[in-house]
Amino acid sequence: QLQLQESGPGLVKPSETLSLTCSVSGASIISDNFYWGWIRQPPGKGLEWIGTYYYSGSTYYNPSLRARVSRSMDTSKNQFSLTLRSVTAADTAVYYCARQTLVRGIGDGPFDSWGQGILVTVSS
Amino acid sequence: EVVLTQSPGTLSLSPGERATLSCRASQSVSSRFLAWYQQKPGQAPRLLIYGASSRASGIPDRFGGGGSGTDFTLTISSLEPEDFAVYYCHQYDTSPWTFGQGTKVQI
Repeated sequence: QLQLQESGPGLVKPSETLSLTCSVSGASIISDNFYWGWIRQPPGKGLEWIGTYYYSGSTYYNPSLRARVSRSMDTSKNQFSLTLRSVTAADTAVYYCARQTLVRGIGDGPFDSWGQGILVTVSS
Repeated sequence: EVVLTQSPGTLSLSPGERATLSCRASQSVSSRFLAWYQQKPGQAPRLLIYGASSRASGIPDRFGGGGSGTDFTLTISSLEPEDFAVYYCHQYDTSPWTFGQGTKVQI
């Protein structure tokens, strides 16, 4: 059974860097049929797509965050990571990692499995 | 970016009643690239519908989706107690992929 689990610090200071890791079990992140992505949800608000990764290295980002976001994948550990630089209070949110079914090969597709989410608060 | 506007914001219904949720897009979205999710308090969203009308694995057939162009609908034919939650639509037609603001279905 596929499981995704986010990990990382729950508190980050303004202007610093947020780093989160998603550990995947029950399936390999090396897959021709799936992407791996990040979505966030500020407290009490809606969902925002952050970015989507493919094992080959292809990466798709929300333009609103592209300048501050980078990714990495560790296929030996079956993990992928999110780095968000220069955070502000507006980056306070629950961050979800998720599997995304590949549809057209342009980073698109529905998110069919989600991690439980991790709350990250940006505060001094 | 494609803005998805969901209505109503809150839907107050009773178990056994039919729920109809709307998602309107600011520009045309192919029905192949529209999904619906359910989110309960403290939980991650769960995929219900993809491709506008295809149910995800394990989703009961009381959940149905439809629509095309700029207007899409999620229908719950007969509400069960576990269906009271927030529902989001999501388009993956035009990047950046976006979500609606949600409709809360409450008792």
